[in-house]
Amino acid sequence: GENVEQHPSTLSVQEGDSAVIKCTYSDSASNYFPWYKQELGKRPQLIIDIRSNVGEKKDQRIAVTLNKTAKHFSLHITETQPEDSAVYFCAASPNTNAGKSTFGDGTTLTVKP
Amino acid sequence: KAGVTQTPRYLIKTRGQQVTLSCSPISGHRSVSWYQQTPGQGLQFLFEYFSETQRNKGNFPGRFSGRQFSNSRSEMNVSTLELGDSALYLCASSPDRLAETQYFGPGTRLLVL
Repeated sequence: GENVEQHPSTLSVQEGDSAVIKCTYSDSASNYFPWYKQELGKRPQLIIDIRSNVGEKKDQRIAVTLNKTAKHFSLHITETQPEDSAVYFCAASPNTNAGKSTFGDGTTLTVKP
Repeated sequence: KAGVTQTPRYLIKTRGQQVTLSCSPISGHRSVSWYQQTPGQGLQFLFEYFSETQRNKGNFPGRFSGRQFSNSRSEMNVSTLELGDSALYLCASSPDRLAETQYFGPGTRLLVL
């Protein structure tokens, strides 16, 4: 089955700096890669996603890049703000099995004011 | 549209008991997946239901079971509870199996004493 590894497990940055979280996956059948943000005590919320036919996608301060050959994808947050502090999860799923996502172990991001 | 709802939100049980958790997907969504979230194991896929049928199952013992009703609402049951079953149980819904984006409910926090 699919295996997703996520690094780092914790990340602390100064407000205004950039943050990068990286994930690798093992199953070449995976072609949908969402990123979720989970604030303390709340549900995971989708913040951005990318499909295998796209190499990069950007939404304001958030961007995701995908390298299918190397089987890795990354989340980039620029101009970080304290409200970006949360746990971020990457996931991978094949499009024929949308309900079965394999998640990374999460990255706890702390943005210091 | 109302989001995914889960009941109850909190539950305390003792070892050996059984528990049933409920998930109501977003109106019109037919696919429901369940995940277990623990601090040490992250988000682990339990099972996926679509059209009242279990389509996929993760690596959990047979004590974990579920079902889906004709209105797409889903329940999961855990029998003979163990201390290690203490976790946040999240369900997620999507319009259908080929839809990629999943929307999470707030979760049910289960504590087994």
